[in-house]
Amino acid sequence: KNEVEQSPQNLTAQEGEFITINCSYSVGISALHWLQQHPGGGIVSLFMLSSGKKKHGRLIATINIQEKHSSLHITASHPRDSAVYICAVGGTYKYIFGTGTRLKVLA
Amino acid sequence: DSGVTQTPKHLITATGQRVTLRCSPRSGDLSVYWYQQSLDQGLQFLIQYYNGEERAKGNILERFSAQQFPDLHSELNLSSLELGDSALYFCASSVSGSGNNEQFFGPGTRLTVL
Repeated sequence: KNEVEQSPQNLTAQEGEFITINCSYSVGISALHWLQQHPGGGIVSLFMLSSGKKKHGRLIATINIQEKHSSLHITASHPRDSAVYICAVGGTYKYIFGTGTRLKVLA
Repeated sequence: DSGVTQTPKHLITATGQRVTLRCSPRSGDLSVYWYQQSLDQGLQFLIQYYNGEERAKGNILERFSAQQFPDLHSELNLSSLELGDSALYFCASSVSGSGNNEQFFGPGTRLTVL
């Protein structure tokens, strides 16, 4: 079993839909990170969370430390949101990555 | 632009060869991380350096080695290359070396081994 599990693996949505991507982890962490990887390959950090909830534009990230679970929500999805979303948990020195969720938003 | 630079962007080489990938961290960041992303796998942590010293090792093969220089740039050396080494290699940097620091990723080096 992977230390960081993401679901779903693949997701296709229509423009405007509300999207939720889930991340569960089994290790102790100091922080959880959500990353976005575009088709060209570049990786961008979206959020770093150690508790509660953060919002940036149409993106919302939440974390429940007791349940070892985090969610990334995208409101009013748009085709430009199409990317791979990766959950990474921060251990003592390094990230442990989930396998990613491939999101495609159709116009 | 994350502020992290990687060279070269693309590298095509043959099996058995040796290559060097270079990474310059963001100004002020002391820690450098190397990751490998193969087609059939997600991101895999290879190795981390902090202020010139190796801090953590992941799934790095013995054929691979890295170092961080006094000016904080880092190099990843891959030798005796095999077809399976074809991947995207990312470098990331952070202020310190702890897991609760945000990491900033470079654009990656795409290595193709023929």
